[in-house]
Amino acid sequence: GQSLEQPSEVTAVEGAIVQINCTYQTSGFYGLSWYQQHDGGAPTFLSYNGLDGLEETGRFSSFLSRSDSYGYLLLQELQMKDSASYFCGVGNRDDKIIFGKGTRLHILP
Amino acid sequence: GAVVSQHPSWVICKSGTSVKIECRSLDFQATTMFWYRQFPKQSLMLMATSNEGSKATYEQGVEKDKFLINHASLTLSTLTVTSAHPEDSSFYICSASGLAGPNTGELFFGEGSRLTVL
Repeated sequence: GQSLEQPSEVTAVEGAIVQINCTYQTSGFYGLSWYQQHDGGAPTFLSYNGLDGLEETGRFSSFLSRSDSYGYLLLQELQMKDSASYFCGVGNRDDKIIFGKGTRLHILP
Repeated sequence: GAVVSQHPSWVICKSGTSVKIECRSLDFQATTMFWYRQFPKQSLMLMATSNEGSKATYEQGVEKDKFLINHASLTLSTLTVTSAHPEDSSFYICSASGLAGPNTGELFFGEGSRLTVL
């Protein structure tokens, strides 16, 4: 089967940096994706790691270590609009993605 | 703009009726679409993979006779919740892959459909 673990909630201060970790157990692993979802909205794609290492996209970065079955999403220069739920997801070769339970990010002014 | 459109965005129905939700890819051909279900403040649970021109592949524990999926064209997949009951009330979201290329980890999600069964 497949399982993903990520913290249920994280709180950080506006302007700060926060890291959301994700560990996984799966078969047929192709890559790790990260999605953001605001309350009542649809998930939107943030980042993807198909290879080990760091991927940077603006204020967001994502990291993957296949040997450790571990990845993280790093959000820098936090803004109030970043308050949302963040999901890591493991993908297989058919683009099927299984998501973790999500991390709710609370940002304090 | 949106690349995947889902309709209706919300629907209320009586117990025992069937509800159809449409998912359309706009301006691109989606050979594969995925249907997810999400309860409030919970994760996105994959229900099934919908492939154009073939039968859908359902995840373990998802009743295929309850949740009928049809992917008749490269731009349209439908989910029909048959004989809906209050426990079927949920947020149903479709997604499509392929626009950004295979194995990019990028799915494009529809706006979601909130189903309430009375």
